[in-house]
Amino acid sequence: DAKTTQPNSMESNEEEPVHLPCNHSTISGTDYIHWYRQLPSQGPEYVIHGLTSNVNNRMASLAIAEDRKSSTLILHRATLRDAAVYYCILRAGDMNRDDKIIFGKGTRLHILP
Amino acid sequence: DGGITQSPKYLFRKEGQNVTLSCEQNLNHDAMYWYRQDPGQGLRLIYYSQIVNDFQKGDIAEGYSVSREKKESFPLTVTSAQKNPTAFYLCASRGRPGQNNYEQYFGPGTRLTVT
Repeated sequence: DAKTTQPNSMESNEEEPVHLPCNHSTISGTDYIHWYRQLPSQGPEYVIHGLTSNVNNRMASLAIAEDRKSSTLILHRATLRDAAVYYCILRAGDMNRDDKIIFGKGTRLHILP
Repeated sequence: DGGITQSPKYLFRKEGQNVTLSCEQNLNHDAMYWYRQDPGQGLRLIYYSQIVNDFQKGDIAEGYSVSREKKESFPLTVTSAQKNPTAFYLCASRGRPGQNNYEQYFGPGTRLTVT
């Protein structure tokens, strides 16, 4: 199974941009990069996903390296409500592949007021 | 409203008893998953099912059992063989790759305490 590597924790000031990195050097050509976040005592929620091109949605932006071996989740203006654990995972884009979805430990993001 | 429901939210059991955690989804999703989360840790995959009447072991399946008799339901039984059952249990489902609902949707979780 393809694995991802993320820093254990990061800190950012409120109302500043946050860049959360993820390494996935063993990514296969059909794997999608997904990001989820988990607020305290809740289940994770989907944030964004991409394959090759950078992606934007109302929650965040996803910047994917040209070789696809790393990606960065960008929160443009962090708020206290963005304090959570952020998970970067790889998902099979091939419907014939076993979609065994593995979460790592994620990055715990602390937002300083 | 479409979503995933897990019940109960909190569950207490005595050691040596089997307990079944409920997970139901009305999203018409093919695949369903069970994860376990310990304090301060990430999610670990217990079992998953990509289609009705079929399921596969995840990384920590020992001491757990599941069934997938209906598309909407994927109950997890924590047996007495599970050595450290106290944890937060999360159920998730997902649609098919290429569809708009491909991302995983998670339930609110069940916090199981065994004493």
